[in-house]
Amino acid sequence: DVKVTQSSRYLVKRTGEKVFLECVQDMDHENMFWYRQDPGLGLRLIYFSYDVKMKEKGDIPEGYSVSREKKERFSLILESASTNQTSMYLCASRVGGARSYEQYFGPGTRLTVT
Amino acid sequence: ILNVEQSPQSLHVQEGDSTNFTCSFPSSNFYALHWYRWETAKSPEALFVMTLNGDEKKKGRISATLNTKEGYSYLYIKGSQPEDSATYLCAPGGDSGGYQKVTFGIGTKLQVIP
Repeated sequence: DVKVTQSSRYLVKRTGEKVFLECVQDMDHENMFWYRQDPGLGLRLIYFSYDVKMKEKGDIPEGYSVSREKKERFSLILESASTNQTSMYLCASRVGGARSYEQYFGPGTRLTVT
Repeated sequence: ILNVEQSPQSLHVQEGDSTNFTCSFPSSNFYALHWYRWETAKSPEALFVMTLNGDEKKKGRISATLNTKEGYSYLYIKGSQPEDSATYLCAPGGDSGGYQKVTFGIGTKLQVIP
């Protein structure tokens, strides 16, 4: 059974803290993605990675960075958390090479920044 | 960013009723269209991926059609059951500077009333 796991289901952080969200997949997928989901806005792509150490900005990368040192792990970093980054964050992975392949999602991390 | 519209945004139906909803997207630079189901407290799961104009896919009581020339896809649920209650997301993939990404719509939230 394919699996994408995220390090925390719920997280509360203070403004200005550095926050790490971790995602691990066990399917040997080349592509990995980070999204945030906000009411009325749908899933928006923050960053994606098409291979180890390779990354591309998505639609809303400001305030975020990512790291992919190993194929199975993709980390999202909030350098200095702000209240407008309170959101649900979802990680996904996919076989590389074609946009017609489905994405497999993790359970999500609900982050609250106070 | 592709402009993806889903309608209606939410819908309540009685158990046993059939229903359908729409996803509209720009027809130019189309590559593939994905439908996902997102149940509360779970991860989004892929339902269908369609690439060709006129494609029809079916999984049990759920089916989908694709019209790439006019830029829309329909999702049909026959004889809705309470377990069909979920948010249904469509995600067309376009050729955006070589990015291997899709853009998600806001979704249609379906509530099936027993």
